[in-house]
Amino acid sequence: RKEVEQDPGPFNVPEGATVAFNCTYSNSASQSFFWYRQDCRKEPKLLMSVYSSGNEDGRFTAQLNRASQYISLLIRDSKLSDSATYLCVVTAATGGFKTIFGAGTRLFVKA
Amino acid sequence: NAGVTQTPKFRVLKTGQSMTLLCAQDMNHEYMYWYRQDPGMGLRLIHYSVGEGTTAKGEVPDGYNVSRLKKQNFLLGLESAAPSQTSVYFCASRRQGTGANVLTFGAGSRLTVL
Repeated sequence: RKEVEQDPGPFNVPEGATVAFNCTYSNSASQSFFWYRQDCRKEPKLLMSVYSSGNEDGRFTAQLNRASQYISLLIRDSKLSDSATYLCVVTAATGGFKTIFGAGTRLFVKA
Repeated sequence: NAGVTQTPKFRVLKTGQSMTLLCAQDMNHEYMYWYRQDPGMGLRLIHYSVGEGTTAKGEVPDGYNVSRLKKQNFLLGLESAAPSQTSVYFCASRRQGTGANVLTFGAGSRLTVL
């Protein structure tokens, strides 16, 4: 079983739609959680951190459920520019803070 | 401020050849990582380093060696390249501390092994 698993996608949505991505992780000792965004042939870049209390950044909302080892990302009012691959990322508190990436979920937002 | 720089950006090798990928960061980060990314697989951790002179294995270390002789540089070596090592390689770094888990990535190195 992969340490971090995501919806395989791709998600094809119209502009203005709301889309949700899910992610589960297997290491209960994981400490930090993130969503990264990766554009085609580019390096991953941090989208937002994820906290147990939930956090919001504009149209993006992230949630963490430690008991279920589940992470989510909600994008409201999708824009064409949101088209990218979204990576769920988990960091363990041990082993040099190893950071493990999910395989990513591809999002296509269409006009 | 260059951040994380990877060289070369592109390389084509023949099976059995050797090469080294260089990662350099100018942010005084303690931790450095090498990942490979293949279609449908996401980023997989090859090796990482928690400080100068130390290295450790990640998820997929076989066929690769690394060295961290200077804090700012993390080298990834392929001693005898195989077609299965065709991939995009990303280097990343982060500073020390539990409140500093965000990775900064280089632009990637695209390697093809024929």
